[in-house]
Amino acid sequence: KAGVTQTPRYLIKTRGQQVTLSCSPISGHRSVSWYQQTPGQGLQFLFEYFSETQRNKGNFPGRFSGRQFSNSRSEMNVSTLELGDSALYLCASSLALVGTGLYEQYFGPGTRLTVT
Amino acid sequence: GESVGLHLPTLSVQEGDNSIINCAYSNSASDYFIWYKQESGKGPQFIIDIRSNMDKRQGQRVTVLLNKTVKHLSLQIAATQPGDSAVYFCAENRNTDKLIFGTGTRLQVFP
Repeated sequence: KAGVTQTPRYLIKTRGQQVTLSCSPISGHRSVSWYQQTPGQGLQFLFEYFSETQRNKGNFPGRFSGRQFSNSRSEMNVSTLELGDSALYLCASSLALVGTGLYEQYFGPGTRLTVT
Repeated sequence: GESVGLHLPTLSVQEGDNSIINCAYSNSASDYFIWYKQESGKGPQFIIDIRSNMDKRQGQRVTVLLNKTVKHLSLQIAATQPGDSAVYFCAENRNTDKLIFGTGTRLQVFP
């Protein structure tokens, strides 16, 4: 069974630009969560989608948005990039909502975004 | 590989010894806890979880202990191996809300 895949793996953007990251969950998984990981702030939750609906949201500005498609694939978008958005963006999938604790959450390798 | 944290607390252990990684969680209402392992250049990997109605759970070479009185979680790794070298995170969840991750501990295993 293929794991969670994220594309692209590495990305370099300029301040003010926007970026779209993609995540393909494990087949059959309906929950997709996004996290930002930085050395200073650690792992921080961005949002979770289940059945194309955002179910939970972290404390990030509106420049961070996401969506989920009917095949459970998910994208996240960051508009008007800032230097502080440089981070590893991780996607994770699960059979059910993470908070139910019923199923493990599997992480992808992440997309390394560098904003210059 | 990529560093996930430049100033993480570090635990150095000798191969074959037992490791204990500690985590303090923030909310007494949290009811579900998970330990993750993150190797350089990879995403976090699930190790073991525990619900708040338990105080101990064992897996293969790993044991998680939960002390709700002091809001403390620990991960014990038996007979630590070089492949256990990684950053370890605890995460808490309350009432189907989002997961909140700890800052992480870097485990270094030396021969």
